[in-house]
This record gives sequence, structure tokens and C-alpha cells, in this order.
Amino acid sequence: QKEVEQDPGPLSVPEGAIVSLNCTYSNSAFQYFMWYRQYSRKGPELLMYTYSSGNKEDGRFTAQVDKSSKYISLFIRDSQPSDSATYLCAMSLFYTGANSKLTFGKGITLSVRP
Amino acid sequence: SQTIHQWPATLVQPVGSPLSLECTVEGTSNPNLYWYRQAAGRGLQLLFYSVGIGQISSEVPQNLSASRPQDRQFILSSKKLLLSDSGFYLCAWSVPDRQNEKLFFGSGTQLSVL
Repeated sequence: QKEVEQDPGPLSVPEGAIVSLNCTYSNSAFQYFMWYRQYSRKGPELLMYTYSSGNKEDGRFTAQVDKSSKYISLFIRDSQPSDSATYLCAMSLFYTGANSKLTFGKGITLSVRP
Repeated sequence: SQTIHQWPATLVQPVGSPLSLECTVEGTSNPNLYWYRQAAGRGLQLLFYSVGIGQISSEVPQNLSASRPQDRQFILSSKKLLLSDSGFYLCAWSVPDRQNEKLFFGSGTQLSVL
């Protein structure tokens, strides 16, 4: 079983739709959870960062972490064509130190149709 | 504000040729520096990271090497490229002592080895 699994997609939705992107993981010791957005031929940019379980909201974006189910989600409300990108989940064991490394999902490509 | 520069954006190299990709960070001191490779359908793979000048940690045995000759300069090299070295290479940095709080990525180099 891979450490982090992400739905492969691609995903296509109409403008204004609510989008749900998900990742599951196998290592219950992961503590820090992130979502990155990557536009075509660009580097990923950090979108959301959460610690432990719960929800975090930032504008149209909500990140949700359920550590009991080892499941994280990113919700996008009122999706816009500008949200069309690849979304990668990432997580880590430690905040800092020699053994702290990010483990990324493979990413899912989202297309929002006007 | 901090910025990260990575070049070139695109590179086409023959098999067996050398490689040198350069990354520089501005606006911060003693950043943690990273080289990632992103292959289609395989997600982000950490290749090297560095916590200081001359300090390089290798994550994956391969045909590549990294060096950090100056505080904010990170170089990825190869003496002889292989076909399997093709991919999208990303440089990233993070705040000192906070490896996994936020990774800031460069714009990437698309390397094609023919």
C-alpha cells in the first residue's frame, strides 16, 4: 500500500460547482497536511496548510483532515475556470528535523468548464 | 520578499551529455533547499536537500548530484545523462528549521533527454 493515495482523475466540472478532492494515507503518524496547486508547466504553490484533525477555511477553499479515517479533503466552492490546475496533497511526520520530509500524492488535474 | 529563480525553463539534451541546473533564492538567509523531480503519473520525488553550504543529503541513488556552493545557490548536475533522467525538475526552499511548514517552488525546468 502506498503511503499517500490520491484519486488520479482527471476531473472536469462546470463553473460554479463544488469540487471535492481527496487523499488517503496509510501512516497514522502523519501530523501536517498540505494542499498545493500547480498550474501547467509551473511549480506547485502552497494553497492550504493544516495540523492534525479538523477544518480550515480560506475564501472558497476548505481543507478537512480526518485522522481517524486517515483521509484528507480539499473543497472548492463556486469553482472558477482559474481553478483549473493540478492539485497535490502532501503530508509529513515532523515539523522539523532530519527526518522531516514531505510525502506527496500524485496529483489530480481539475478542469473547470466556463 | 523572497523569490526563487530557476533556469533554464526548458532543456533538450542528448544521452551522455552533462547537465547543470541552477537555482537561486533571494530575500532570505540560510534557507533549506531542495531538488525534486516530477515525472508524468509519478508525483513529486525528492532528490536532494540541503540545510547549509556544502551539506547535501541524497534521497535516491541515481545518476545525479547536487552542490550548494553558496548560501542561496543550489545546483543539480550530471556527468552523463540517461534517458530516464527526463522529467520536470523543481527547486524549492523553506524557512530554516522549518522544513515542512511551507515549501516554495521555482518555476521548474522541463528536461528532455533524447
